[in-house]
Amino acid sequence: DQQVKQNSPSLSVQEGRISILNCDYTNSMFDYFLWYKKYPAEGPTFLISISSIKDKNEDGRFTVFLNKSAKHLSLHIVPSQPGDSAVYFCAAPTGGTSYGKLTFGQGTILTVHP
Amino acid sequence: KAGVTQTPRYLIKTRGQQVTLSCSPISGHRSVSWYQQTPGQGLQFLFEYFSETQRNKGNFPGRFSGRQFSNSRSEMNVSTLELGDSALYLCASSPNPGQGGHGYTFGSGTRLTVV
Repeated sequence: DQQVKQNSPSLSVQEGRISILNCDYTNSMFDYFLWYKKYPAEGPTFLISISSIKDKNEDGRFTVFLNKSAKHLSLHIVPSQPGDSAVYFCAAPTGGTSYGKLTFGQGTILTVHP
Repeated sequence: KAGVTQTPRYLIKTRGQQVTLSCSPISGHRSVSWYQQTPGQGLQFLFEYFSETQRNKGNFPGRFSGRQFSNSRSEMNVSTLELGDSALYLCASSPNPGQGGHGYTFGSGTRLTVV
């Protein structure tokens, strides 16, 4: 049972444009979400998070939006840069933030073309 | 400060063999979690350890086991390897357990290939 889903395996955008990565979840008990970025041959690194009490969180070029009624979140990168090319994972802690287990989506490969 | 160190980086094993992977967390971090990454499956949780105790276990068969030592270093073991065990195994350390991913620092992983 895939509780966190990223239905787009890949996304290609032009440098300077907006990248929108999507994530859907099925467990309404999830109350916190994280996005990680992963370069080849490296471990994932934390990018941005959002609590379910918010519908938006911004950090520089990165904004995450949460639509609880649709059980959907999205990561917007504006403007996109070639260095943003990586695999992006959304994730949610099981049992709220009191547990260390993260449930991840399958990942979306973002390619930003110069 | 030194990051999370996973050894070895690459490993090739034959079906039926067993393998041990090692993870040294960031100094001062006491919690270690393990994840398996396979194409199309994302990262799947294996275990979480704190103070030499397993706090959480994912939905993997008993062939997958782990432990944590008093210095917080952790090992995971996979016995009777199957082709489907080929994956990138990632270790994440955090200062304390159960932080919901916050404070997680991942290592670069061990790429296991089973032939």
